[in-house]
Amino acid sequence: DGGITQSPKYLFRKEGQNVTLSCEQNLNHDAMYWYRQDPGQGLRLIYYSQIVNDFQKGDIAEGYSVSREKKESFPLTVTSAQKNPTAFYLCASTSIRRGLSNEKLFFGSGTQLSVL
Amino acid sequence: SQELEQSPQSLIVQEGKNLTINCTSSKTLYGLYWYKQKYGEGLIFLMMLQKGGEEKSHEKITAKLDEKKQQSSLHITASQPSHAGIYLCGAPHGSGNTGKLIFGQGTTLQVKP
Repeated sequence: DGGITQSPKYLFRKEGQNVTLSCEQNLNHDAMYWYRQDPGQGLRLIYYSQIVNDFQKGDIAEGYSVSREKKESFPLTVTSAQKNPTAFYLCASTSIRRGLSNEKLFFGSGTQLSVL
Repeated sequence: SQELEQSPQSLIVQEGKNLTINCTSSKTLYGLYWYKQKYGEGLIFLMMLQKGGEEKSHEKITAKLDEKKQQSSLHITASQPSHAGIYLCGAPHGSGNTGKLIFGQGTTLQVKP
């Protein structure tokens, strides 16, 4: 089945530790996104990538880093510089067709990150 | 910057009742997406609206985009427990086709049997 796979489902971070969230898609989508969701709030964009080896900061990129070495994969690292990392993290992807209307985002099932 | 405001923030209805969720944008919408989320899970796409005055329906859910393209409503007819969850509206970030969406804060719906 085609889709987006996020792992792990639950992750715990110790103080001063970097952790990496995995996101893999087999939908052949060019663009991938990371969003953060806090209770009672909508989703906020952390980073996005429209093509391999290229990515851009979203609205809340501080304390996070990403890489896009393969089309299928877009891992997110939560660094020790992110002082309030506890949140639900969602990965999404879509196809970008130049000159045509926007395509919908497909979402993974999310990773809940908590601080020990 | 553009903002999306959803109302109400939460809603509790009796099974079988109708309900409406609103999404208001601070700027003209170049598209409007409705998603549903179960707690602790990903977002499931419901509908996309692009043209002023457009209306779409799927099963018992109807979404509309107003003529001025600054407000959308999601209407559920004869609600069922399966409709419970968080409903989020999303809109493209500006007019370019980057795929980036901004989201409202969500409306939590509970349906009492």
